[in-house]
This record gives sequence, C-alpha cells and structure tokens, in this order.
Amino acid sequence: GAGVSQSPSNKVTEKGKDVELRCDPISGHTALYWYRQSLGQGLEFLIYFQGNSAPDKSGLPSDRFSAERTGGSVSTLTIQRTQQEDSAVYLCASSSAGTGIEKLFFGSGTQLSVL
Amino acid sequence: QQQVKQSPQSLIVQKGGISIINCAYENTAFDYFPWYQQFPGKGPALLIAIRPDVSEKKEGRFTISFNKSAKQFSLHIMDSQPGDSATYFCAVPFTGSARQLTFGSGTQLTVLP
Repeated sequence: GAGVSQSPSNKVTEKGKDVELRCDPISGHTALYWYRQSLGQGLEFLIYFQGNSAPDKSGLPSDRFSAERTGGSVSTLTIQRTQQEDSAVYLCASSSAGTGIEKLFFGSGTQLSVL
Repeated sequence: QQQVKQSPQSLIVQKGGISIINCAYENTAFDYFPWYQQFPGKGPALLIAIRPDVSEKKEGRFTISFNKSAKQFSLHIMDSQPGDSATYFCAVPFTGSARQLTFGSGTQLTVLP
C-alpha cells in the first residue's frame, strides 16, 4: 500500500487479556516507531526499530509491553495482562533512512479500549 | 528529562483570522523542528518543518518562527479556514535520542465559519 497500515483499527478487550497490534510500514522504510496517544495527551514514544540494529526500547512503560519486527518490515506490539490505563490510541510510524528525523509517516492507529 | 511545552491547549479562531501556537523546549536539540497536523481518526501528518539555523520558514498560509536562543518556536496559520480545524503538535528532536521525536501535548484548533 501507499501508506502505513495498522490493524485492527479498534480493539476492545477485557482487563488481564493479552493483545497484539500490527503495523505494516511503507515499503522500503527502514525505521519504524510505535507511539501511544492518550486522550488529550501528546504522543508518547514507545519503541524504535532501525534496520537490523537493536531496537530502542527506552519508552516502553512496563515489561508487559513488547514489540518485534520481522524481516525488517511488519511489526507487532504486544501488551500482556492489559490494564485500564493501557487504553489509548497506538500509532505506528515509519521513515526512510535517507530522510530527516522530522519526517515520520503515521498510520491511522489502533484505538485500544480495556474494559 | 526532555521537556516540550506547547500552548495553548485549545484555540478558537474566526475564519480569516490568524492562529498562533507556541512551543518551548528544554535541553539541547538538533536537526529540524516539525509541526504535525492531525485530523480526527487519522494519524498525525507532517505539516511544515524548520532548520535550526533559520528564524522563519513559510509555506503557503503556514509559517514557523524559530528563536533558537530562547528555545521557542511557533506556528502561524494566516487566513485560517474551517478546513484547518485539527489538532497540531510540535515536536523536538533531542540530542542523543536515537532518532526519536519528543512531541508537545497538542493544540486543538477550531476555525469557525
């Protein structure tokens, strides 16, 4: 596709369940980011992948959060034992290695609701 | 701790008016300073960005003013239109942050017809 694709667009889950969120970046983009956007808040950095380098996990809020990127393309963000405070929009972004840090291309996000 | 303070939180402007959103940051930053625009149900999209060695950049109705010594930059939307109604985020690329942007908390702009 032409843009960053995220699925599902909406996810409702019960407290304590595990969820997986998927991101398909723009073809050829080597950098991939996950951000979290809570209601009325800015974008909170979660994790960053660049090519085959070790990911920057410095933004993950707890060990319940993990992410992987297979084959340098698709990424999955996993939240284990979900809590109500995990409810937010999870945004994925990608960028090309040849562009500046400021040029991120975002998907439309996954709205996660934990009941 | 990297801090980015954005104001105002919300802004209502009449059609044809000027919208001004401000952003201030602490600590050292480098590289381009962007503003992102987000419509409901969509992800943010890059609107305009400025290099740190210039004081102003204009693209159509959108202008960034940058004061490096004060660590502040602002977005000006001239002749604001109802279609500009969206949430705007500033972002700062901090030194040593391994290519990640720190975003402001956002400004919800409403342009009345």
